[in-house]
Amino acid sequence: EPEVTQTPSHQVTQMGQEVILRCVPISNHLYFYWYRQILGQKVEFLVSFYNNEISEKSEIFDDQFSVERPDGSNFTLKIRSTKLEDSAMYFCASSGGDQPQHFGDGTRLSIL
Amino acid sequence: AQSVTQLGSHVSVSEGALVLLRCNYSSSVPPYLFWYVQYPNQGLQLLLKYTSAATLVKGINGFEAEFKKSETSFHLTKPSAHMSDAAEYFCAVIPKWENTGFQKLVFGTGTRLLVSP
Repeated sequence: EPEVTQTPSHQVTQMGQEVILRCVPISNHLYFYWYRQILGQKVEFLVSFYNNEISEKSEIFDDQFSVERPDGSNFTLKIRSTKLEDSAMYFCASSGGDQPQHFGDGTRLSIL
Repeated sequence: AQSVTQLGSHVSVSEGALVLLRCNYSSSVPPYLFWYVQYPNQGLQLLLKYTSAATLVKGINGFEAEFKKSETSFHLTKPSAHMSDAAEYFCAVIPKWENTGFQKLVFGTGTRLLVSP
């Protein structure tokens, strides 16, 4: 079964540094998403992406965040200047047609 | 705004006992509802989904959920718990299914299922 893959599985970064989280969605899916899960809290929607542009974003997704599909397979989330409160598990997901979203295993981001 | 409420952050059962995880949604229009499971250090795996075709939905690993409009509920059950069922379970809703394929999931706070021998 096709799956969403995320790299790295764990990223440790100094506060103020830029970080890029990478995802390879399922190849025939057209919608891509990022979600965040702060430790002990619920999974929160960050942003969705379709046709090379953001289709919807949450209040969390401020100017420090950006997403990009640099080529035909990767989908990235960039945090420009990380803060301690950005420490969380970040999940990438993709969907297409009438199929439910498929999630990756997540990237655990730790800000020091 | 559409939301889901999961009652009980932790549920403890003995192996072989019935599992019941509660989820209520807030909507006057039946939404699309999902249950996801998260095993330790892993991503979110779809257990089952409700998309108005049938009110009793069967999922993977012996789980099922029943959509009850009168109670605005979508509780998850399994007749007999197994040690391997220990995980975090999330109820989620898509307020409006768009035929374009766009889905924005709104998650509940999750319920951690603990299974004792």
